[in-house]
Amino acid sequence: GEDVEQSLFLSVREGDSSVINCTYTDSSSTYLYWYKQEPGAGLQLLTYIFSNMDMKQDQRLTVLLNKKDKHLSLRIADTQTGDSAIYFCAENYGGATNKLIFGTGTLLAVQP
Amino acid sequence: DADVTQTPRNRITKTGKRIMLECSQTKGHDRMYWYRQDPGLGLRLIYYSFDVKDINKGEISDGYSVSRQAQAKFSLSLESAIPNQTALYFCATSETGTGAGQPQHFGDGTRLSIL
Repeated sequence: GEDVEQSLFLSVREGDSSVINCTYTDSSSTYLYWYKQEPGAGLQLLTYIFSNMDMKQDQRLTVLLNKKDKHLSLRIADTQTGDSAIYFCAENYGGATNKLIFGTGTLLAVQP
Repeated sequence: DADVTQTPRNRITKTGKRIMLECSQTKGHDRMYWYRQDPGLGLRLIYYSFDVKDINKGEISDGYSVSRQAQAKFSLSLESAIPNQTALYFCATSETGTGAGQPQHFGDGTRLSIL
């Protein structure tokens, strides 16, 4: 069945770049998403990319999609302590039904 | 005010009790979803609804039921709670139709503990 995998933990120093990786299995996914979850809060949509794109940039965020390898990454430039959170990637696997499969989440810890 | 509101935010109850978690939204979206989050497992879909007359099972619907009382309201019930239903529960909404990926928008979650 469909599966989305992420590493569980990433630690970076403030000011460095963070790269969070994700692999997925459904090659028919049309959209892939990145969500951020801060402690005690719900999931906040950060950005998403359509499957016919290779890259999308939004301020400090850069999303790279390698469709051949089914690999998605989120790069956060100039990482700040406020970026500390759990980051989830998700793929739209249900077509018009818009069902999402979520990865397990990557905890990003930013050291001052 | 939050666009997607879940009540209660926290609940502790005993095995065998009936529990209802409520979700209301002001986004005007037709589609609503219930997920549970467990450590190391990400979010898993319990039920989803595309309009008031539409209910669909998700990945892990056993032990749960839902009711779509109105476009803006979607409740999740545990008829007889068991400890392995202890989790963080999220409601989400999305628009219908094609377009910009129809991203899902989440409430702040309900933390449910079953003793």
